[in-house]
Amino acid sequence: AQSVAQPEDQVNVAEGNPLTVKCTYSVSGNPYLFWYVQYPNRGLQFLLKYITGDNLVKGSYGFEAEFNKSQTSFHLKKPSALVSDSALYFCAVRDGDNYGQNFVFGPGTRLSVLP
Amino acid sequence: GAGVSQSPRYKVAKRGQDVALRCDPISGHVSLFWYQQALGQGPEFLTYFQNEAQLDKSGLPSDRFFAERPEGSVSTLKIQRTQQEDSAVYLCASSLRRSGRANEQFFGPGTRLTVL
Repeated sequence: AQSVAQPEDQVNVAEGNPLTVKCTYSVSGNPYLFWYVQYPNRGLQFLLKYITGDNLVKGSYGFEAEFNKSQTSFHLKKPSALVSDSALYFCAVRDGDNYGQNFVFGPGTRLSVLP
Repeated sequence: GAGVSQSPRYKVAKRGQDVALRCDPISGHVSLFWYQQALGQGPEFLTYFQNEAQLDKSGLPSDRFFAERPEGSVSTLKIQRTQQEDSAVYLCASSLRRSGRANEQFFGPGTRLTVL
């Protein structure tokens, strides 16, 4: 079975400071990892994904994430936060070796960027 | 269309009432997914279609939940005899290729169902 943990319910950061939203995962096969962002009253928007290759993945809106196999982590990062980044962030995992497995999402982390 | 659309955006139902939630995926997308998102939680998988075939319905919480995609495009999630615990946001997502384990899913805005 696969699972995703996002250990922080809430992350607060000042505008212009770097931000990190943490994600750890458990999957039996190769992990396919995704980050989504959800703004109020809107659906989830895709940010970035790791499938294979370079451990550092760059995505939309200046976000990036680093895949760390030994720590089973896929933390989301941004060098300089914007107030408009305030939203709910979800990490998701899929078992790349198991055709039948679907996305499993974490519980979400609410990011607040303070002006 | 430009994205995944869902209707209605909000639905209030009395307990015991049947409801139908509609999803219009991105044109040409083969795969379609339904998720249930409870307040303060991440989305939880309900069911998956590849074209008109429902390949996985393991996430449907009870036999009161039924989904269909008869022509491989629009999908409807039906909940019979709604209960208060069915109150949630129901999200639809589509993806271009079949299953597409490496493909991201594109989500609609969701339907917020409130059962009184």
